Amino acid sequence: EDKVVQSPLSLVVHEGDTVTLNCSYEVTNFRSLLWYKQEKKAPTFLFMLTSSGIEKKSGRLSSILDKKELSSILNITATQTGDSAIYLCAVKASNTGKLIFGQGTTLQVKP
Amino acid sequence: GAGVSQTPSNKVTEKGKYVELRCDPISGHTALYWYRQSLGQGPEFLIYFQGTGAADDSGLPNDRFFAVRPEGSVSTLKIQRTERGDSAVYLCASSPGAGLRAFFGQGTRLTVV
Repeated sequence: EDKVVQSPLSLVVHEGDTVTLNCSYEVTNFRSLLWYKQEKKAPTFLFMLTSSGIEKKSGRLSSILDKKELSSILNITATQTGDSAIYLCAVKASNTGKLIFGQGTTLQVKP
Repeated sequence: GAGVSQTPSNKVTEKGKYVELRCDPISGHTALYWYRQSLGQGPEFLIYFQGTGAADDSGLPNDRFFAVRPEGSVSTLKIQRTERGDSAVYLCASSPGAGLRAFFGQGTRLTVV
């Protein structure tokens, strides 16, 4: 059965800290891995990774995929209270675009 | 509007009742997905439409759940004889085509009492 696992499940840090969120997957037909940020209800897209070892970066956020280890990390540097959210990792495992999500990591950034 | 629109945003219903949840995708998007997110969990796939047809309904939990997209645009998720375990946020997403990046709506929070 296809599976995506995220760790930690929750994390509390202070503003300015750097955090690393982990995602590992076991899927039979890997196409790509995606990261989303969910603050209220709608997940908002952060990154899509298809190639191993190539870092994607957007401001203070960056992510990299390791296909050999079947995993990805999401880094957030100089965290701000506005980074508080649930971060979701998802794997696209077919041509249909259907996503398999992990449980999410709840990040709380304290002032 | 430019985004995926879902209505209602919140729905409270009594156990055993029938509910319909609506999704209005981004104009021109042929692929449409329904997901369900229970508290403390990631979204769980329910069904995928390509155009008017359900190309993959493997995530529907049982025959109380049904979804349609008769004209290849708006979709309705229908739940019969609701149970308390159906309480969740139901998310809809659309994309320009299968496998392309999907955009999510704000979701419908369903509470069955």
